[in-house]
Amino acid sequence: GAVVSQHPSWVICKSGTSVKIECRSLDFQATTMFWYRQFPKQSLMLMATSNEGSKATYEQGVEKDKFLINHASLTLSTLTVTSAHPEDSSFYICSASLAGVYNEQFFGPGTRLTVL
Amino acid sequence: AQSVTQLDSHVSVSEGTPVLLRCNYSSSYSPSLFWYVQHPNKGLQLLLKYTSAATLVKGINGFEAEFKKSETSFHLTKPSAHMSDAAEYFCVVSDRNNDMRFGAGTRLTVKP
Repeated sequence: GAVVSQHPSWVICKSGTSVKIECRSLDFQATTMFWYRQFPKQSLMLMATSNEGSKATYEQGVEKDKFLINHASLTLSTLTVTSAHPEDSSFYICSASLAGVYNEQFFGPGTRLTVL
Repeated sequence: AQSVTQLDSHVSVSEGTPVLLRCNYSSSYSPSLFWYVQHPNKGLQLLLKYTSAATLVKGINGFEAEFKKSETSFHLTKPSAHMSDAAEYFCVVSDRNNDMRFGAGTRLTVKP
């Protein structure tokens, strides 16, 4: 139980294009989903927290107009990297928290984004 | 705000010897603490978690951790390292708002 999937697992795009990454909770309803970014050989940094049906809360220093987050249902959140540039190349990981269960998040397998 | 400090960026052990990965935390509230493992180009796998129950927590693959409030520590141990344990390990603290903060990570190398 508590499985989270991400799609795609990896993506390569040209500079200036937009990329959408999906995060799905497969067997539970996730009231809250989180998006993290991980640079090579570094830790995970929280980018934003999204609650179903409301606007995402972004961490300081994360551009909300560049990293668009939509959490339209209890099982799906999307992260769109708009006008991607090479410095946006990273490993993006989502997680979801189980409604009614606090202090634990279930992580997706991650999406490797490479911007040429 | 809560935070974690992983005291070693890299630990190297020989196969069959004990593993100790150190973690200290800071939290204004009674925290929940986690250890995750990440193999290269893979997602995170939960090893174990502490959520105010027993202070000695047993996890998967023979790992365990002990919550010591007086020392604000949550060190991860394993009696005997296996080659497959080589990976990156993250200590994570979460407060009552379900806000997780990751440590910088410890890379575990296991020598044959």
